[in-house]
Amino acid sequence: DSGVTQTPKHLITATGQRVTLRCSPRSGDLSVYWYQQSLDQGLQFLIQYYNGEERAKGNILERFSAQQFPDLHSELNLSSLELGDSALYFCASSVEGVYNEQFFGPGTRLTVL
Amino acid sequence: GDSVTQMEGPVTLSEEACLTINCTYTATGYPSLFWYVQYPGEGLQLLLKATKADDKGSNKGFEATYRKETTSFHLEKGSVQVSDSAVYFCALNANNDMRFGAGTRLTVKP
Repeated sequence: DSGVTQTPKHLITATGQRVTLRCSPRSGDLSVYWYQQSLDQGLQFLIQYYNGEERAKGNILERFSAQQFPDLHSELNLSSLELGDSALYFCASSVEGVYNEQFFGPGTRLTVL
Repeated sequence: GDSVTQMEGPVTLSEEACLTINCTYTATGYPSLFWYVQYPGEGLQLLLKATKADDKGSNKGFEATYRKETTSFHLEKGSVQVSDSAVYFCALNANNDMRFGAGTRLTVKP
């Protein structure tokens, strides 16, 4: 158990809909990262937050947005969903520092029908 | 920019065979290097790490040595088990920016 929790575990929805994925980082970790993992594209970095502020942006679509709240939990919002958005979405957290690894949650499997 | 390249899979081995998964990196600074493992249906877990040149990370019979001269961090295990079947990711952290390789799927057959 990494200490990072994600809800829900599975999500099935239709094209055009909007969903929210939730992540709670490990106690004490200020950084939260979101990744998308699909079969054909491997692990893609989406966005990082540090203590409530956006720190880095990766290959995140404009239809996607995220935020980190004062209690440090984070939400990833996916809107106008397309079939190609079906994937595993992982949240990770870490302590700042180049020596430090990221700890991953169990993921949310999103299926868009 | 900083990046990691790891050998493409899939890799299929028989139980007790030797394993090497190659990983090379490009980085402007002095990154830390990591191997993560993802078992079926689970998230990524840290397998081992090394934070400076010539460091050797090891865990569960796996090991990797940080080679600055060849910019490599190859993952090795002397005798694999069926339970080692998973996807393995090489990663680097430079300036708090984590980069992952594409992953290598390993299947170990009894």
